[in-house]
Amino acid sequence: NAGVTQTPKFQVLKTGQSMTLQCAQDMNHEYMSWYRQDPGMGLRLIHYSVGAGITDQGEVPNGYNVSRSTTEDFPLRLLSAAPSQTSVYFCASSTGGRSPLHFGNGTRLTVT
Amino acid sequence: GENVEQHPSTLSVQEGDSAVIKCTYSDSASNYFPWYKQELGKRPQLIIDIRSNVGEKKDQRIAVTLNKTAKHFSLHITETQPEDSAVYFCAAPRNSGNTPLVFGKGTRLSVIA
Repeated sequence: NAGVTQTPKFQVLKTGQSMTLQCAQDMNHEYMSWYRQDPGMGLRLIHYSVGAGITDQGEVPNGYNVSRSTTEDFPLRLLSAAPSQTSVYFCASSTGGRSPLHFGNGTRLTVT
Repeated sequence: GENVEQHPSTLSVQEGDSAVIKCTYSDSASNYFPWYKQELGKRPQLIIDIRSNVGEKKDQRIAVTLNKTAKHFSLHITETQPEDSAVYFCAAPRNSGNTPLVFGKGTRLSVIA
């Protein structure tokens, strides 16, 4: 099993550009989520999904969209990048909300 | 929703000493409390978790204790080693139901050889 795979590992965007962070898991987990990590702020939940076709907002959803068309994939879209979205983004999957999270290796995004 | 407070934000200990990190939570219905370790430049990884039906859980040098009355849980690392140096995060369910975790802001542990 590859576990949770995130691409790209690094990305630099200009303000106003859009892009999609990819996340795929091969563990047949129903639960997937996106977190952002900023210094001193811990891991903050952006969006999550409890199964294909179902998504919901987390603590900091503004400026991001998600979709879950398959169990395996959970892409995160930045609609119009802003410098405040400079961060490290982690995708995670689990069997449920009360189960261990399996994190991807992260995407380091810089918006200039 | 749940609010998780974690203390201290930084902790330095001598190799061989014990380290304790504490988290408090706000929702008395919360029932799952994991701890994650994140080494520099790496992803967070689960090191231990506890459910609300037990008060303590141990795994070799690490243990987690839960006080449901006071709504806090703690990570204990004994006989610390340099490889324990990392950032540690506690977490709790966001709210009741099948909702994801919210995390504390992290504790940077430095073990001095």
